[in-house]
Amino acid sequence: QVTLKESGPVLVKPTETLTLTCTVSGFSLSNARMGVSWIRQPPGKALEWLAHIFSNDEKSYSTSLKSRLTISKDTSKSQVVLTMTNMDPVDTATYYCARTFIGAAFDIWGQGTMVTVSS
Amino acid sequence: QSALTQPASVSGSPGQSITISCTGTSSDVGGYNYVSWYQQHPGKAPKLMIYEVSNRPSGVPDRFSGSKSGNTASLTISGLQAEDEADYYCSSYTSSSTVVFGGGTKLTVL
Repeated sequence: QVTLKESGPVLVKPTETLTLTCTVSGFSLSNARMGVSWIRQPPGKALEWLAHIFSNDEKSYSTSLKSRLTISKDTSKSQVVLTMTNMDPVDTATYYCARTFIGAAFDIWGQGTMVTVSS
Repeated sequence: QSALTQPASVSGSPGQSITISCTGTSSDVGGYNYVSWYQQHPGKAPKLMIYEVSNRPSGVPDRFSGSKSGNTASLTISGLQAEDEADYYCSSYTSSSTVVFGGGTKLTVL
């Protein structure tokens, strides 16, 4: 059974750096044509794609957030980590990780983790 | 990268068919057959319903179908059922090797 689970802080202060971890099971991060994406959803708003990383270590970032994001993976730990710098209250959202196929289909999603940015 | 354009809401009665449109540009929807559709019930994670324009993952009812013409993709749900009431999002791969989502469509089953 393929699962993904997000973990990280529930609350961060403005200007701090957010670090989120996605732990996967049921598939390997070294599988060809597969990767993991991060996607967020502010309360009551639409989904927003943030970044993805594939088995060959190919990475891509949202154009508008590229300067603040870093994605990496540890295949041995089955983990994908996303860091977002200089957090702001507008970054308050549920953050999801999702298994991703070439062509950007997100077939399995984690349950999501709600992150609130507030002082 | 601008979000794909979806209608804010659509509605239909049980048994009817509805179609949700998703309009982009030649740099995303029109340029690639990498359009996906997701269903999201309140408080839940999204679920993949259609990938690569018209393919259904295993377990998705064949009442759900996808198509594309030019820069506009469409999701059609036939034989509408109460449990289809949800938010629907389209997404597309882009020429910048990024992904863009639509603004979402709320489907109400009357």
